Amino acid sequence: EAQVTQNPRYLITVTGKKLTVTCSQNMNHEYMSWYRQDPGLGLRQIYYSMNVEVTDKGDVPEGYKVSRKEKRNFPLILESPSPNQTSLYFCASSPSGTGHYGYTFGSGTRLTVV
Amino acid sequence: AQTVTQSQPEMSVQEAETVTLSCTYDTSESDYYLFWYKQPPSRQMILVIRQEAYKQQNATENRFSVNFQKAAKSFSLKISDSQLGDAAMYFCAYQNYGGSQGNLIFGKGTKLSVKP
Repeated sequence: EAQVTQNPRYLITVTGKKLTVTCSQNMNHEYMSWYRQDPGLGLRQIYYSMNVEVTDKGDVPEGYKVSRKEKRNFPLILESPSPNQTSLYFCASSPSGTGHYGYTFGSGTRLTVV
Repeated sequence: AQTVTQSQPEMSVQEAETVTLSCTYDTSESDYYLFWYKQPPSRQMILVIRQEAYKQQNATENRFSVNFQKAAKSFSLKISDSQLGDAAMYFCAYQNYGGSQGNLIFGKGTKLSVKP
């Protein structure tokens, strides 16, 4: 089944403790991105990647890092999480980032930073 | 900067009836894509329908159709024969054509309830 897999689904952590949210897709998509969803704000893009070793900032990149060493994986790294990063996170992928093909989203990761 | 506005935070529809969700957007671009995504309680973001701005014909996917009014910058979603499984948050989204950032600009969402 073609899908984007995120792990974990739920995560509670403490301020300052580094964490990684994994994202993997099995569709050989070139493009991947991360969004965060907050009540009343919709979804906002954090980072995106057009291909292996090519990443760039989205609209809200502060406090996040990403890497794209393999085509299928695009982990989101929070080096020193803070409570304002408590949110619902989505990974998405597509054959390209042009919008022509639409995007496939993962099931989301609910992160709570206390 | 482009913006997307969904003016109805919540909507309700009777099962088997028709409901229309509103979306307006602001852009100075002439070519772009518009999307409707459904987010059920499972949280999964599911693509419902996609419209290319240079196509005048309104997109249709089974019971879902859009009314795309380019001059008015309006992109409403019509759900016909509503089913209990249609209950979800619905997000309207916009993307510029031709870029590679893939940055979807989302509205704040409309929560749709379906009454049996």
